[in-house]
Amino acid sequence: GESVGLHLPTLSVQEGDNSIINCAYSNSASDYFIWYKQESGKGPQFIIDIRSNMDKRQGQRVTVLLNKTVKHLSLQIAATQPGDSAVYFCADNTGGFKTIFGAGTRLFVKA
Amino acid sequence: NAGVTQTPKFQVLKTGQSMTLQCAQDMNHEYMSWYRQDPGMGLRLIHYSVGAGITDQGEVPNGYNVSRSTTEDFPLRLLSAAPSQTSVYFCASGLGTGSDEQYFGPGTRLTVT
Repeated sequence: GESVGLHLPTLSVQEGDNSIINCAYSNSASDYFIWYKQESGKGPQFIIDIRSNMDKRQGQRVTVLLNKTVKHLSLQIAATQPGDSAVYFCADNTGGFKTIFGAGTRLFVKA
Repeated sequence: NAGVTQTPKFQVLKTGQSMTLQCAQDMNHEYMSWYRQDPGMGLRLIHYSVGAGITDQGEVPNGYNVSRSTTEDFPLRLLSAAPSQTSVYFCASGLGTGSDEQYFGPGTRLTVT
């Protein structure tokens, strides 16, 4: 069945370094991918999304890369800051009504 | 705008009790959804709605009922609570059909003893 998973459960980076969070998906019909950030005790917050007809999309300090050949996407955070510490989820949608979330990666930023 | 609001923030139930988790949004979004999040896991879709009067099941619908009588409100009902329903529940809304950005509420932490 469909699944969206993450390669690593935790990631620790030094403040100021770039962070890369990876995600694999298995449903080749997925055509919309979203990254959410969840801070402790809060609901998920939208970061950036990408459609399957694109392979790269940039936002403010964040970039999402999509490789449909190997069913992989990544979230890159430039100049990581302490405020970036959170759990990051990738999610996918086949263009229908259901968005499926992965398990999440916890990002720790060391000062 | 208040965005998506959820009440209560915390709730403790005994096995077999029933209750309703409330969710409201003031963004005039047609799409609303309920997720549960268990420790160390992602969010799993319980039920969703694409407009008033229209609801459907998500990944884990058993033990939960929903209704959507207005665009603004999407309550989640637990008919007979079980310990397996101990979780954090998030309500979300979005402009599209679910294939767009969703806005999440702050969550309800439910414990069933």
